[in-house]
Amino acid sequence: EAGVTQFPSHSVIEKGQTVTLRCDPISGHDNLYWYRRVMGKEIKFLLHFVKESKQDESGMPNNRFLAERTGGTYSTLKVQPAELEDSGVYFCASSQTTGNEQFFGPGTRLTVL
Amino acid sequence: AQKVTQAQTEISVVEKEDVTLDCVYETRDTTYYLFWYKQPPSGELVFLIRRNSFDEQNEISGRYSWNFQKSTSSFNFTITASQVVDSAVYFCALSELTGANNLFFGTGTRLTVIP
Repeated sequence: EAGVTQFPSHSVIEKGQTVTLRCDPISGHDNLYWYRRVMGKEIKFLLHFVKESKQDESGMPNNRFLAERTGGTYSTLKVQPAELEDSGVYFCASSQTTGNEQFFGPGTRLTVL
Repeated sequence: AQKVTQAQTEISVVEKEDVTLDCVYETRDTTYYLFWYKQPPSGELVFLIRRNSFDEQNEISGRYSWNFQKSTSSFNFTITASQVVDSAVYFCALSELTGANNLFFGTGTRLTVIP
């Protein structure tokens, strides 16, 4: 069974540009989560989808971040326009049911110059 | 408010030594889950264990063991006879059952096992 996959693995962009990160959860997992780890700090929750619905987006830092999960399968996280402080590793996780263990992808390392 | 503290930023041990990674948590909920994840150099987060707040029984899985103590709000992780492959960053996390069930992570402990 394929695990959670994320694309790209690395992205280097300039301040003001737009970047879109993609996450493919484990097949059949209704719950999809986005997290972010800024250098040296803890991994922080961004938002949670149940199927195509946003269950909780309380962790989204500001309106420059837009997450979608059309059709309840893969999800995208767009940052527009990117700022220096957006640099970090963005993790995606999925779980079969809410409360179960979350399986994480390898992360996307975003560098904003 | 929820909080997970991993006071040990970095630990180095010599191969075959035992090592304990500390985790202290804060939550107002009476029902919650605690987790440990391993992040090897390849970057992905690997699930190790989930423990619910009603089960204080210690758990052993091979060389790994976990000591959950509600009285001290701690969920410590011990690796026995450490190996070089254990070198990684280890994260402790908390999930409350009331709310969105998202994970609250500690800052991680980087473990280096020296051959």
